[in-house]
Amino acid sequence: SAVISQKPSRDICQRGTSLTIQCQVDSQVTMMFWYRQQPGQSLTLIATANQGSEATYESGFVIDKFPISRPNLTFSTLTVSNMSPEDSSIYLCSVAPRTGPSYEQYFGPGTRLTVT
Amino acid sequence: QQQVKQSPQSLIVQKGGISIINCAYENTAFDYFPWYQQFPGKGPALLIAIRPDVSEKKEGRFTISFNKSAKQFSLHIMDSQPGDSATYFCAASSDGNKLVFGAGTILRVKS
Repeated sequence: SAVISQKPSRDICQRGTSLTIQCQVDSQVTMMFWYRQQPGQSLTLIATANQGSEATYESGFVIDKFPISRPNLTFSTLTVSNMSPEDSSIYLCSVAPRTGPSYEQYFGPGTRLTVT
Repeated sequence: QQQVKQSPQSLIVQKGGISIINCAYENTAFDYFPWYQQFPGKGPALLIAIRPDVSEKKEGRFTISFNKSAKQFSLHIMDSQPGDSATYFCAASSDGNKLVFGAGTILRVKS
């Protein structure tokens, strides 16, 4: 499995501001994903981060609110824009490694965001 | 529409007992079914996964049972230990990428 790190691990932000979350993997991976886990809830896929092209967003999530970059095969960022208290969640990146079963996904430690 | 239904919401088991968590799915295109374990403040960790071509997969104390006709799968934790206390999520995928998660089960193993 890949070693995944996220920065920041947590943050407290004011409404109306934006936060960029970084995801770094220790090896090249085929797929990178961003999930949201609201307090006490399950995980919901926000988007698939595509290397060299625009991210693919799931229903209910839009690029203006959650812009994503993926400049190479080991790094991606998710920005939460114009934040409101409803954006308070844990944001997780996951990866599907290039080697081994392509279906397996591994998660980073998450970024705990609180919007006041 | 919830595509993967997970039960129970919470579970208390005595140390040494068997923990059983169940999931049911609707989309017959799903062909990959993983289970994740999540401790507080941590990201989910892949525990065990199964494909629909087998009915059971065992790894140590963890077993997945899969019933394709009933569209159900379950996680069995044998000889449950206090260290197994965590939230468990089932998930499903139909394209090797997008994971659809169940609601989660909070497991507490009493010593």
